[in-house]
Amino acid sequence: DGGITQSPKYLFRKEGQNVTLSCEQNLNHDAMYWYRQDPGQGLRLIYYSQIVNDFQKGDIAEGYSVSREKKESFPLTVTSAQKNPTAFYLCASSIESFPSTDTQYFGPGTRLTVL
Amino acid sequence: QKEVEQNSGPLSVPEGAIASLNCTYSDRGSQSFFWYRQYSGKSPELIMSIYSNGDKEDGRFTAQLNKASQYVSLLIRDSQPSDSATYLCAVNFLTNTGNQFYFGTGTSLTVIP
Repeated sequence: DGGITQSPKYLFRKEGQNVTLSCEQNLNHDAMYWYRQDPGQGLRLIYYSQIVNDFQKGDIAEGYSVSREKKESFPLTVTSAQKNPTAFYLCASSIESFPSTDTQYFGPGTRLTVL
Repeated sequence: QKEVEQNSGPLSVPEGAIASLNCTYSDRGSQSFFWYRQYSGKSPELIMSIYSNGDKEDGRFTAQLNKASQYVSLLIRDSQPSDSATYLCAVNFLTNTGNQFYFGTGTSLTVIP
């Protein structure tokens, strides 16, 4: 089955801890994205990556870090510097083509709660 | 500033009626437009994509795009209770660092049996 997987589904973090959210895709997509969704709000872009070993900050990158060492994987670390990390985190990927007609496909999400 | 605006709702329609969801966007350079459906606690799933002015139909769903008015809509015919969800409008355009999606905050739809 081709798709995007995220783990864990639920994650609990204590104050001051760093946690890493996993995102893997086997769609052979070049581009990958991380979004954050808060109740009653739309998706906000945290980081995105167009190719391996390269990534760009989105609108709300502060307190987060990413890596893109493999095409299939784009893990997100929520650091202790992120003051309000409780949210639903969504990973997405797209083929990345020009002109920009790409469709983004989403993983099932990780719900992070700070204790 | 790139913005995507949707009425948050909630929008309630009786079963079998037509539900109409609207979205406006701020950037005239936008190339492609998408509607996603998101059930509570789940991730968004793609319903429709549209790239050219006019209508695009897929089953009970019709997307309408008017680039001159910077307006995209989604019509759901013969609405079913299973259509009850939040519908997200997304607009994609090319920046100097690659494709970026901008999402609206979503419209909550309830179909009443």
